[in-house]
Amino acid sequence: NAGVTQTPKFQVLKTGQSMTLQCAQDMNHEYMSWYRQDPGMGLRLIHYSVGAGITDQGEVPNGYNVSRSTTEDFPLRLLSAAPSQTSVYFCASSYRGGANTEAFFGQGTRLTVV
Amino acid sequence: AQSVTQLDSHVSVSEGTPVLLRCNYSSSYSPSLFWYVQHPNKGLQLLLKYTSAATLVKGINGFEAEFKKSETSFHLTKPSAHMSDAAEYFCVVSDGNFNKFYFGSGTKLNVKP
Repeated sequence: NAGVTQTPKFQVLKTGQSMTLQCAQDMNHEYMSWYRQDPGMGLRLIHYSVGAGITDQGEVPNGYNVSRSTTEDFPLRLLSAAPSQTSVYFCASSYRGGANTEAFFGQGTRLTVV
Repeated sequence: AQSVTQLDSHVSVSEGTPVLLRCNYSSSYSPSLFWYVQHPNKGLQLLLKYTSAATLVKGINGFEAEFKKSETSFHLTKPSAHMSDAAEYFCVVSDGNFNKFYFGSGTKLNVKP
């Protein structure tokens, strides 16, 4: 039972490069989301999805793009990387189960933009 | 709107002494609250969750939290700290639909021998 799997674990990009962070879950969860973690700021929501074909912006969406073509996968695209996007990125999933639902997190992707 | 405030960015305790990590929340309706723990360079693990069934919630590794509506608080406690408890702890509130989770800024717990 893999849960939420993120790849890669580490990445270094040059300013202006683009890349895709991968996220896959095998729990058949309807909801998936991306967060970034910066020191002293907790985790902030970038984009989220409530099902295949449906995405929406979170708190800090600028510079990121998402799509959700399947229930299992929710990739995050950096269109033109900037040093301000240096962060640790977490993907999460949760099911549409009401009050007992928590988020399940991947192990994170540490991204450095130079 | 939902938000949480963690009142201490760092807490330091001696091994074997009690732990108290403080969290206040703001929610426009009956909240669902969570505590997550993150060990260095690791992902996030759920410690416990409050979903209105009981105000005192027991979690893993001896942690518990008490929901106090009158104080809008959800403080995390443990009677006796262990070295392995050293980590960062996040208080989290969901938006009720459970597709968005709002994190506090985190409390780093240091446990001294």
